[in-house]
Amino acid sequence: KQEVTQIPAALSVPEGENLVLNCSFTDSAIYNLQWFRQDPGKGLTSLLLIQSSQREQTSGRLNASLDKSSGRSTLYIAASQPGDSATYLCAIHGNQFYFGTGTSLTVIP
Amino acid sequence: NAGVTQTPKFQVLKTGQSMTLQCAQDMNHEYMSWYRQDPGMGLRLIHYSVGAGITDQGEVPNGYNVSRSTTEDFPLRLLSAAPSQTSVYFCASSYSNSGRGQTQYFGPGTRLLVL
Repeated sequence: KQEVTQIPAALSVPEGENLVLNCSFTDSAIYNLQWFRQDPGKGLTSLLLIQSSQREQTSGRLNASLDKSSGRSTLYIAASQPGDSATYLCAIHGNQFYFGTGTSLTVIP
Repeated sequence: NAGVTQTPKFQVLKTGQSMTLQCAQDMNHEYMSWYRQDPGMGLRLIHYSVGAGITDQGEVPNGYNVSRSTTEDFPLRLLSAAPSQTSVYFCASSYSNSGRGQTQYFGPGTRLLVL
């Protein structure tokens, strides 16, 4: 069974700082990896999708990388803003979908 | 497009009661799925469907039934509610009939409390 781990569980940074969120997984036989954002009491919003053949994807201030051989993905957020405060989840699509438990990000004005 | 919609938003049940959580999507997506989200455990897949008439079990299927009579709807039935089923339930859909390579779109969730 695929195990997905996200460290740290919580992160607090001052506004303007660049930051990296980490996601690790145990089985490299994946179809894709997806990063989501979840606001309190809300559903999940897809941020970036990386196919298994890709190394990275970018959208605005967000950049996600994928290294299947080491079982790792990172989500880089540039010039963080208070509006980025949310929980960030990574999801692995292997034989089924597996989610990490998320990193709760707080950006302090 | 309304996207993925879920009803109800919140429900309280007594142990042993049954109910159906509704999920609908208007994007003509083949793949639909149900997850539960519990503190410290992330989202776990309950059941999924790769098209009308086809369903399969996920990681935590016990106590839940699903059916997929149309492309648009994918209801989740709790047969006899238990306190362990207290959770937030999310429905999701994806264009590809395997979910591969495609973004998943999530509904707003249903918060269920079983007393």
